[in-house]
Amino acid sequence: AQSVTQPDIHITVSEGASLELRCNYSYGATPYLFWYVQSPGQGLQLLLKYFSGDTLVQGIKGFEAEFMRSQSSFNLRKPSVHWSDAAEYFCAVGEHSSASKIIFGSGTRLSIRP
Amino acid sequence: DVKVTQSSRYLVKRTGEKVFLECVQDMDHENMFWYRQDPGLGLRLIYFSYDVKMKEKGDIPEGYSVSREKKERFSLILESASTNQTSMYLCASRIYNEQFFGPGTRLTVL
Repeated sequence: AQSVTQPDIHITVSEGASLELRCNYSYGATPYLFWYVQSPGQGLQLLLKYFSGDTLVQGIKGFEAEFMRSQSSFNLRKPSVHWSDAAEYFCAVGEHSSASKIIFGSGTRLSIRP
Repeated sequence: DVKVTQSSRYLVKRTGEKVFLECVQDMDHENMFWYRQDPGLGLRLIYFSYDVKMKEKGDIPEGYSVSREKKERFSLILESASTNQTSMYLCASRIYNEQFFGPGTRLTVL
């Protein structure tokens, strides 16, 4: 069965510092992979997605993620965070064989230190 | 831009009440979803629908039902609300494996 693990519940980084949020997935074949961001009181917004091809994926707001099949990981990175990046981030995995279900991780809350 | 709207941002109901949460999307998407979001648990799928009048149970359907009479509208129904259904409810529509989310309804059951 598919599963997604985000090992970090809460991360605090200084403004201007680099960021990496971890995501590990379990899936038998090549998955669809997503990162979503949720600002307080809002719905989820798609940051980026990986379906196939280049394993380094660029997203909105200066984020990128790298699909590493050997490590079953899809970590999210940003070279320099801004205070507005404070939010909750969700990694998700979907099936190639069906367009129905996407499984979400439990989320990582990002705080920014001034 | 795709727009997914939910009828209420905040809702307070009493135990035993019947509750309707409405979701409307404006992009003619076939697939629609209802999730609940709880701290530390991420998003859990309650029900989804891949066409009008079609529905499938997600991972936590107990205590919920859904209705999809028109393509653009997907309703979540709590037949008899209970305090353990206090949560944030998120609706989404989907095309080509990308989901678009509404702003959420924070439901409190007293």
